[in-house]
Amino acid sequence: EPEVTQTPSHQVTQMGQEVILRCVPISNHLYFYWYRQILGQKVEFLVSFYNNEISEKSEIFDDQFSVERPDGSNFTLKIRSTKLEDSAMYFCASSPEDGYGYTFGSGTRLTVV
Amino acid sequence: DAKTTQPPSMDCAEGRAANLPCNHSTISGNEYVYWYRQIHSQGPQYIIHGLKNNETNEMASLIITEDRKSSTLILPHATLRDTAVYYCIVRPSSAGNNRKLIWGLGTSLAVNP
Repeated sequence: EPEVTQTPSHQVTQMGQEVILRCVPISNHLYFYWYRQILGQKVEFLVSFYNNEISEKSEIFDDQFSVERPDGSNFTLKIRSTKLEDSAMYFCASSPEDGYGYTFGSGTRLTVV
Repeated sequence: DAKTTQPPSMDCAEGRAANLPCNHSTISGNEYVYWYRQIHSQGPQYIIHGLKNNETNEMASLIITEDRKSSTLILPHATLRDTAVYYCIVRPSSAGNNRKLIWGLGTSLAVNP
């Protein structure tokens, strides 16, 4: 069964450093998403991406965040200057068409120290 | 905020049916009901979705009331591996710029031997 692949599974970074979280969505999917989940809290929407542009973003997704689909297969989330409160599980997801259920990756646990 | 209400926790005996309720009294005519689950901080897993008709797939059945104000996810023969947090989410079918999933706290289902 096709999977969404995320790397790394766990990343530790110092406050103020830049991090790039990587995702390989399912190959024929058209819609891509990033969500995050702070430990013990709800899953939160960050951004959706379609046709090589952001289609929607949340208040969390401020100027410190950016997404890119650099080569037609990878989908990355960059945090320019990490803060302690960015520590969370970050989930990438994709879907083939609008309205279909997403397939989520297994997540990247980001720890900012 | 999430437009759904779910009990915070439920128990089920292994091999029995698990019936997970969800209230969505403010659901709109173009909104689908989606169910996902999350096993211990893994990536959420899509289960099923429906608009107004009952739906069944290899994982579960979804029963939606005639007025669409509530639904029930049925796991027909629960196993220990079904222990997870189950989320009921409403979302427009043709989302336009509103593709995000808004997550509540879900129902923590414990399947007991």
